[in-house]
Amino acid sequence: DPKIIQKPKYLVAVTGSEKILICEQYLGHNAMYWYRQSAKKPLEFMFSYSYQKLMDNQTASSRFQPQSSKKNHLDLQITALKPDDSATYFCASSPPGTGGALETLYFGSGTRLTVL
Amino acid sequence: AQSVTQPDARVTVSEGASLQLRCKYSYSGTPYLFWYVQYPRQGLQLLLKYYSGDPVVQGVNGFEAEFIKSNSSFHLRKASVHWSDSAVYFCAVSGTGANTGKLTFGHGTILRVHP
Repeated sequence: DPKIIQKPKYLVAVTGSEKILICEQYLGHNAMYWYRQSAKKPLEFMFSYSYQKLMDNQTASSRFQPQSSKKNHLDLQITALKPDDSATYFCASSPPGTGGALETLYFGSGTRLTVL
Repeated sequence: AQSVTQPDARVTVSEGASLQLRCKYSYSGTPYLFWYVQYPRQGLQLLLKYYSGDPVVQGVNGFEAEFIKSNSSFHLRKASVHWSDSAVYFCAVSGTGANTGKLTFGHGTILRVHP
């Protein structure tokens, strides 16, 4: 059974609309992340949260807003969608540990977003 | 800024053959290095990681990687591949310092193993 659930798997939206990508993890992790993989770019870090607090934001646009209603949830709200937002969005989490950058990330299977 | 280059977009090998997937990184400090694999319709899974110690790191399913600092490389190897190894392989680098979960990934290498 998948331990990181992303919903929906596929999403089609029109330009200018708003969508929410859902992520729930059942690994007991305190840190959660969003990454994006577009057609011509490698997987890119977007956000990291730890204990429901924002740790790092590498997304230039405020149209992307993470939302953490529960410790094991980190949804991603995207407003004013553009065709360039078309990508696969991956949620990930990592366990508490000794700290540092060597923590293993566990990824969901992604939400493929297409903006027309 | 850190970066990762995986020069081979696609690699095709026959089952039972040896494998090397290339990865070169750019990072000014001491890197943390990772290989992840993505099977069809699944999320990325960690194969192995390296920070220090023996430059040859063993991973799952018979994979290993060698850190060569002088060459800024972290190539992935397997002595004998199986058809089930067909997947996309990603090399990634992370720096020391505060843990924010930020990995910098390469574009990935699509591996196809002929049965």
